[in-house]
Amino acid sequence: SQKIEQNSEALNIQEGKTATLTCNYTNYSPAYLQWYRQDPGRGPVFLLLIRENEKEKRKERLKVTFDTTLKQSLFHITASQPADSATYLCALDMNYGQNFVFGPGTRLSVLP
Amino acid sequence: EAQVTQNPRYLITVTGKKLTVTCSQNMNHEYMSWYRQDPGLGLRQIYYSMNVEVTDKGDVPEGYKVSRKEKRNFPLILESPSPNQTSLYFCASKGAGGGGSQPQHFGDGTRLSIL
Repeated sequence: SQKIEQNSEALNIQEGKTATLTCNYTNYSPAYLQWYRQDPGRGPVFLLLIRENEKEKRKERLKVTFDTTLKQSLFHITASQPADSATYLCALDMNYGQNFVFGPGTRLSVLP
Repeated sequence: EAQVTQNPRYLITVTGKKLTVTCSQNMNHEYMSWYRQDPGLGLRQIYYSMNVEVTDKGDVPEGYKVSRKEKRNFPLILESPSPNQTSLYFCASKGAGGGGSQPQHFGDGTRLSIL
């Protein structure tokens, strides 16, 4: 079965630094990989997605990379702010948008 | 406002007492899905529906039922709840076109406690 790991359960960084979150997967080659943000007591909110034939995608301070050989996606937040503190989830599209498998999430804390 | 609405937000009940969690979306999305979220396990897909009257099992369907009689509604039914179904549940919807290229829109969750 598909297994997804996210680099660490929790990550603390200083305000202004770049946060880098990792998503590693096995046993599958997804067509798409998505990243979500989840705040306490709320549902996940979509941030970015990247296709299997894309190396990199950017949106404002966010950047996602996708290495299908390493089976890894990196999610970067540049110039991080305390408001970026949340849990970040990666999700793999398993079957053309029917099944999704989510990673356990990384809880990011940006310290002022 | 585009949204996915779940009810109730919180429920404490007892083993064996049938319950239904409702989910409604106002975005005319074809696809809807139910997940449960447990500490350390992430979101796990229970059931999904590609359109009205079309449903299929996700990764953890045991003990759950769903129905999709209308496009906007996708209720989750626990016929005989057990304590191992205590969890945080999320409903999500998305457009059908483009497969995995469509983002999912999530409700704010239903916290179920089965005693």
